[in-house]
Amino acid sequence: SQQGEEDPQALSIQEGENATMNCSYKTSINNLQWYRQNSGRGLVHLILIRSNEREKHSGRLRVTLDTSKKSSSLLITASRAADTASYFCATDENAGNMLTFGGGTRLMVKP
Amino acid sequence: DAGVIQSPRHEVTEMGQEVTLRCKPISGHDYLFWYRQTMMRGLELLIYFNNNVPIDDSGMPEDRFSAKMPNASFSTLKIQPSEPRDSAVYFCASRETGGGQPQHFGDGTRLSIL
Repeated sequence: SQQGEEDPQALSIQEGENATMNCSYKTSINNLQWYRQNSGRGLVHLILIRSNEREKHSGRLRVTLDTSKKSSSLLITASRAADTASYFCATDENAGNMLTFGGGTRLMVKP
Repeated sequence: DAGVIQSPRHEVTEMGQEVTLRCKPISGHDYLFWYRQTMMRGLELLIYFNNNVPIDDSGMPEDRFSAKMPNASFSTLKIQPSEPRDSAVYFCASRETGGGQPQHFGDGTRLSIL
């Protein structure tokens, strides 16, 4: 079963706009990770946020975590056509040994 | 450095045939994961290894599926006999020891069972 559920399932925006994706999960976590998947490729790790952190930045990415609501958000600022991909959250529940992935958000950035 | 290498990239075979998927993890990574991705079920963990030892195979769907890791640089996922519902993209991923270490994915094997 999927631990994380992303919202929305699909998102279409214009280049230059910001894109926000949300993830909800069910159980306590050690950390939450976001991955990106381009069409026909494997997943690529973007950013990790630990359970004792509330916000983290990496370049144009901003991740927030609210453990009281069991939710996280990924913000991509000033989006580019090259950001078109699927984005997945993954939760780490068991000392980092396993990840449980959500269903993903398909992001399309129109040039 | 080379990433996780999977072969073949594509496999088309008829039902009932044996299918073997291969994975070479990143050198020095001691965790290896096999996933299956479908539109209906998303990304599912099938099995993972630590130091070549299978730790959790609860995601393996049936006895038709088996996985081995004979050494630190090679793993196989075998389906025998294959069925059309096994059609999916199968990913291998590896990571280093340590909490919060990211998983590194191969580009997958797209399997079609006719």
